[in-house]
Amino acid sequence: AQKVTQAQTEISVVEKEDVTLDCVYETRDTTYYLFWYKQPPSGELVFLIRRNSFDEQNEISGRYSWNFQKSTSSFNFTITASQVVDSAVYFCALGGGGTSYGKLTFGQGTILTVHP
Amino acid sequence: GAVVSQHPSWVICKSGTSVKIECRSLDFQATTMFWYRQFPKQSLMLMATSNEGSKATYEQGVEKDKFLINHASLTLSTLTVTSAHPEDSSFYICSAPSGSLLSGEQYFGPGTRLTVT
Repeated sequence: AQKVTQAQTEISVVEKEDVTLDCVYETRDTTYYLFWYKQPPSGELVFLIRRNSFDEQNEISGRYSWNFQKSTSSFNFTITASQVVDSAVYFCALGGGGTSYGKLTFGQGTILTVHP
Repeated sequence: GAVVSQHPSWVICKSGTSVKIECRSLDFQATTMFWYRQFPKQSLMLMATSNEGSKATYEQGVEKDKFLINHASLTLSTLTVTSAHPEDSSFYICSAPSGSLLSGEQYFGPGTRLTVT
């Protein structure tokens, strides 16, 4: 069975601070996909990143960066110089390959509040 | 990019009535779509897989007679909550994968907020 754990339920920071959201996953699949989504109060999921299990290269996109480590089954997300607009719920999700394609297992979510 | 729409965006219904929620892929065909449910302040849970041309497959614990899914075409899946009760009040989100099996791209609809009174 697949499992995603986001240990931090809520994080509160002051604007311009850096913040890292942790994500640990469990899967028996050799091919899988990891995602991060942002969910603002409107409820619509905003796609942030997708990573394939065979690509451990870390990625940076503007103020966002992701650290994928298969050895520790972790896919952590860092926001540099946080802004108030970053306040939202962030979900880490795991998708399988093959017949599990498209089915996502979500973590519990981390509520990020950035104070001015 | 690919877009998935849902209708309605929110609905209020009385207990005992049925509600239909539509999920459409707007610029791509989706032989498979997924329905998720999200209770307030909780995570998304996969309810079922909607398959065009065949029966939906439901996750363990989801009542298939209560949550009827019909994948009418390559761009439309519907979720009907039958005999709704207040405990069915939730945020329902559909998704559709696009592209090849290797891409793993997922496109989510904006969600439908159901309130049963």
